[in-house]
Amino acid sequence: DGGITQSPKYLFRKEGQNVTLSCEQNLNHDAMYWYRQDPGQGLRLIYYSQIVNDFQKGDIAEGYSVSREKKESFPLTVTSAQKNPTAFYLCASTETGAHSYGYTFGSGTRLTVV
Amino acid sequence: QKEVEQNSGPLSVPEGAIASLNCTYSDRVSQSFFWYRQYSGKSPELIMSIYSNGDKEDGRFTAQLNKASQYVSLLIRDSQPSDSATYLCAVNMLRETSGSRLTFGEGTQLTVNP
Repeated sequence: DGGITQSPKYLFRKEGQNVTLSCEQNLNHDAMYWYRQDPGQGLRLIYYSQIVNDFQKGDIAEGYSVSREKKESFPLTVTSAQKNPTAFYLCASTETGAHSYGYTFGSGTRLTVV
Repeated sequence: QKEVEQNSGPLSVPEGAIASLNCTYSDRVSQSFFWYRQYSGKSPELIMSIYSNGDKEDGRFTAQLNKASQYVSLLIRDSQPSDSATYLCAVNMLRETSGSRLTFGEGTQLTVNP
């Protein structure tokens, strides 16, 4: 079955700690995205990548970092510089090209600062 | 003005009624439009896509698009309690420096009362 796998499902971070959220897809999609969702709010774009070894900042990139060394993988690191990281993190992917097919989302990672 | 704006919720309808969800967008050249359903604590799921003016029906769901008015809507006929969720409108928008990507509205929370 093709899809996007995010892990872990729940993650707890201590103050001052960096944590990495995993996102893997086997859909052969070129483009991948990271979103943050706070309770009762919409999706805010953190970073995205349209091709291997290239990525761009989204609307709220401060305190986050990404890499795209393989087509299948787009991990997100939440650094200690992110002062309010408690949120629901969603990874998505899509094909690129002239036609837009919409995004497929992973099941999400819920990050809590303890 | 928000790039994608949805009617403020929450929206409550009785079981069996028609639920109407509305969305306006700012970019006149947008060509692809999507509706996602998000159950509480879960990730968004694509339920409808529409690319041409007019109506598109899929089971109990009908998406309506009017590009001249920059308006897209989702009708849910014979609403069921299982339709209770947040519905996200997404529009594929062209960005000057980074190509096109989806922009999401903040969502409308729908409750269907038995």
